[in-house]
Amino acid sequence: DGGITQSPKYLFRKEGQNVTLSCEQNLNHDAMYWYRQDPGQGLRLIYYSQIVNDFQKGDIAEGYSVSREKKESFPLTVTSAQKNPTAFYLCASSIDLGQLMNTEAFFGQGTRLTVV
Amino acid sequence: AQSVAQPEDQVNVAEGNPLTVKCTYSVSGNPYLFWYVQYPNRGLQFLLKYITGDNLVKGSYGFEAEFNKSQTSFHLKKPSALVSDSALYFCAVRDGGSQGNLIFGKGTKLSVKP
Repeated sequence: DGGITQSPKYLFRKEGQNVTLSCEQNLNHDAMYWYRQDPGQGLRLIYYSQIVNDFQKGDIAEGYSVSREKKESFPLTVTSAQKNPTAFYLCASSIDLGQLMNTEAFFGQGTRLTVV
Repeated sequence: AQSVAQPEDQVNVAEGNPLTVKCTYSVSGNPYLFWYVQYPNRGLQFLLKYITGDNLVKGSYGFEAEFNKSQTSFHLKKPSALVSDSALYFCAVRDGGSQGNLIFGKGTKLSVKP
């Protein structure tokens, strides 16, 4: 099956800890994205990557870090600098946009992170 | 900057009745518009997208969307709602100035009662 896999589904973090959320895709997509979802606020972009070994900050990158060492993988680390990390995190991917701006993005099933 | 607005936080519909979930957009250049649906604790599923020249776009699960350039709207519609359509619906637009990232509305919760 082709698709995007996020793991774990649920994650609990203690205050001051870093945690890493996994996102893997086998769709051969160039572009990958991380979004944060909070109730009533829609989805906000954290980081995105259009190509291996390159990534850009989104609207709310503070307290987060990413890497893109392989085309298939785009892990997100929530650092202790993120003061309010409890949220639902969604990973997405799409083909290289180029001239294809009307192409849709595909989403994983999400990771719910809770600070305890 | 590109943006989308979903003016209703919640829409309530009786099963069998038509439903409309509203979305308005603000873009410079061509609009690249999408609708997604989200069920509780799940990721987003793609429903449909605007195709240039088609004012009525058909998508998955019997949904369709009406594009109106003069009103800058892209409302999601379904002729006959099902209880299983109850979910959170997001309108989104591609940001042409930011490498095409998707910008989402805040979402509209659709509740279909039997």
